Amino acid sequence: DGGITQSPKYLFRKEGQNVTLSCEQNLNHDAMYWYRQDPGQGLRLIYYSQIVNDFQKGDIAEGYSVSREKKESFPLTVTSAQKNPTAFYLCATVDGQGSSYEQYFGPGTRLTVT
Amino acid sequence: DAKTTQPTSMDCAEGRAANLPCNHSTISGNEYVYWYRQIHSQGPQYIIHGLKNNETNEMASLIITEDRKSSTLILPHATLRDTAVYYCIVSGGANSKLTFGKGITLSVRP
Repeated sequence: DGGITQSPKYLFRKEGQNVTLSCEQNLNHDAMYWYRQDPGQGLRLIYYSQIVNDFQKGDIAEGYSVSREKKESFPLTVTSAQKNPTAFYLCATVDGQGSSYEQYFGPGTRLTVT
Repeated sequence: DAKTTQPTSMDCAEGRAANLPCNHSTISGNEYVYWYRQIHSQGPQYIIHGLKNNETNEMASLIITEDRKSSTLILPHATLRDTAVYYCIVSGGANSKLTFGKGITLSVRP
């Protein structure tokens, strides 16, 4: 986990509600990423941010929104427009100052929408 | 980013070397090979990466063929705690996006 906090570990919501997942880091890393993982599948990139106040869509951004107002925080909102929101959500960071190759991952949040 | 192909699963005996293969025949000259692993219900963990030369760290060794079209991750003395899904990823250099496929499930048996 190493300095990346995702809370809560388990989250339950009713269909039609927006929900915001938290990702906080104290690694002083510039870049932050959000991934989604479905059972038996690999990770898919939702959004990423290389620097404060800037972010880009990943491969599956529809139905999600993010903000990056502080270096330490990159919250992900799962909106009611996301058709299949139930999944395991992972946040990751990379030190953007140097030539860093390692992504550090948080422990993840398992979201269940019924 | 170039695509990678890995077997679905493999197993090995505890204490033996685990050799995990990966094909990346469309890799381009400036792309790196990365390996991550994911233990059940946890976030992935970085293992190692390389460009052309073989690499070794405290966790594993990475052997890349001369034509760079394939590579092998070697865990020299597998333990039960090495049971995980291992992802081989090809991507650009520092701060590049990573595309995780389904990976290979390694089961280490006692």
